Amino acid sequence: EIVMTQSPATLSVSPGERATLSCRASQTVSGNLAWYQQKPGQAPRLLIYGASTRATGIPARFSGSESGTEFTLTISSLQSEDFAVYYCQQYNNWPRTFGQGTKVEIK
Amino acid sequence: QVQLQQWGAGLLKPSETLSLSCAVYGGSLSNYQLTWIRQPPGKGLEWIGEINQSGSTNYNPSLKSRVTISVDTSKNQFSLKLSSVTAADTAMYYCWLVLPVAIHYWGQGTLVTVSS
Repeated sequence: EIVMTQSPATLSVSPGERATLSCRASQTVSGNLAWYQQKPGQAPRLLIYGASTRATGIPARFSGSESGTEFTLTISSLQSEDFAVYYCQQYNNWPRTFGQGTKVEIK
Repeated sequence: QVQLQQWGAGLLKPSETLSLSCAVYGGSLSNYQLTWIRQPPGKGLEWIGEINQSGSTNYNPSLKSRVTISVDTSKNQFSLKLSSVTAADTAMYYCWLVLPVAIHYWGQGTLVTVSS
C-alpha cells in the first residue's frame, strides 16, 4: 500500500496570503495524484488531478506541481472560502490512498 | 445534471451488516468508476473500494474480507455491504462517481453509527 504523507497538519494563513501544502508518496505514483478540498459537513471536492491539472470550474489561484514523489498544492491568494481541509490522493495503485489532510485555517 | 442519492440504515449493532445504496440520476453510465469512501467523525478519508462499468471490483485489503460492492445496471443503483461491523466502522459513508475526464459526483453522505 502506498502511504501518502501530508504536511503540515495545520496551516495558519491570513486572507490574501499564499498557502503551500505538501504531500509525499512512499513510492512513485506516476503523476496519478489528486487534491481535494473538504468543508465541514460537505463531501470532498476535486481541485487538481494528474498532479497539476485543474478540475472544471476550479479557480486559477489553485495550482499543483510534482517533483518525483513530492507533490505541492499552492493557493496563490487565499480567499475566505478557501479555509478548509485539503487531502491528496494517489490513484496509481490499489488500494487508492489518501493523505491525512492539511487544515488551512485563518491566522 | 447527474445526481447521486444515498440511503441506508444509520444505526447498527455490533456484528450486523451495513447496507447502503446509491442511485445515479440524470445520466447514462457507460464508462465510470463508482467508489465508496468513509470518514470517521473528525478524521480523514478512507477508500473502501470501487466498481467499474465492467463490473470489476477492487477493495481495500483492510476491509476486503467483509466488503461487497455491486451494481444493478437496470436501475443505475450501486450498493455497499460491510459485514460484522464494530464501533470502528462508525463513519460518514459517501458514494462517489467518476466519469471521463475527471468529472466527479458525490452522494450526500450517510452517517452510520455502530453501537450496542
